[in-house]
Amino acid sequence: AQSVTQLGSHVSVSEGALVLLRCNYSSSVPPYLFWYVQYPNQGLQLLLKYTTGATLVKGINGFEAEFKKSETSFHLTKPSAHMSDAAEYFCAVSSSNFGNEKLTFGTGTRLTIIP
Amino acid sequence: GAGVSQSPSNKVTEKGKDVELRCDPISGHTALYWYRQSLGQGLEFLIYFQGNSAPDKSGLPSDRFSAERTGGSVSTLTIQRTQQEDSAVYLCASSPGAGTGYQETQYFGPGTRLLVL
Repeated sequence: AQSVTQLGSHVSVSEGALVLLRCNYSSSVPPYLFWYVQYPNQGLQLLLKYTTGATLVKGINGFEAEFKKSETSFHLTKPSAHMSDAAEYFCAVSSSNFGNEKLTFGTGTRLTIIP
Repeated sequence: GAGVSQSPSNKVTEKGKDVELRCDPISGHTALYWYRQSLGQGLEFLIYFQGNSAPDKSGLPSDRFSAERTGGSVSTLTIQRTQQEDSAVYLCASSPGAGTGYQETQYFGPGTRLLVL
């Protein structure tokens, strides 16, 4: 069984400040981990993913995340927030076992950027 | 290239009616997923098709929900005797599938917003 916990359903940061969105996961097998972003009235867009190899992964729009197995975490960061980053962010986990790639999502974090 | 498309984009129906939602995956993708996004339940998995294998239906909430995938491409999600609690955004995703090394990357469509009155 897999699960994802996103701490903080709403996060507000000032423009130019650090963005940190927290994600912890639970998985009985080596996980694949994802961050998706959803802009209003749009579908989900992949920001970045971790499968194997380097634990620090870089994604689009200046975001990055680090897989920390010992902490079962996959927090999303961006050094300097931009107004266009305002959106809802979802962390998700899937199994690395072939045939079981369905995503289990966290409840989402709505990011607000303060001018 | 073209992404995942879904139709209709919005659907309003009366309680008790049947609805069909359509998903066109990215060409060549062998895996297709349906998810539901609702206020009370967040994003939840419904059903998963992988090539010619039997679908994983473990996420379907009741026997009023069914889905098929014809010819390994287009998929239709059918909800019979709709209830108000079925109101949600239904999202479809596809992924390249086995052997590509990218089977884990799912690409989402814009969703169908369903409102049951």
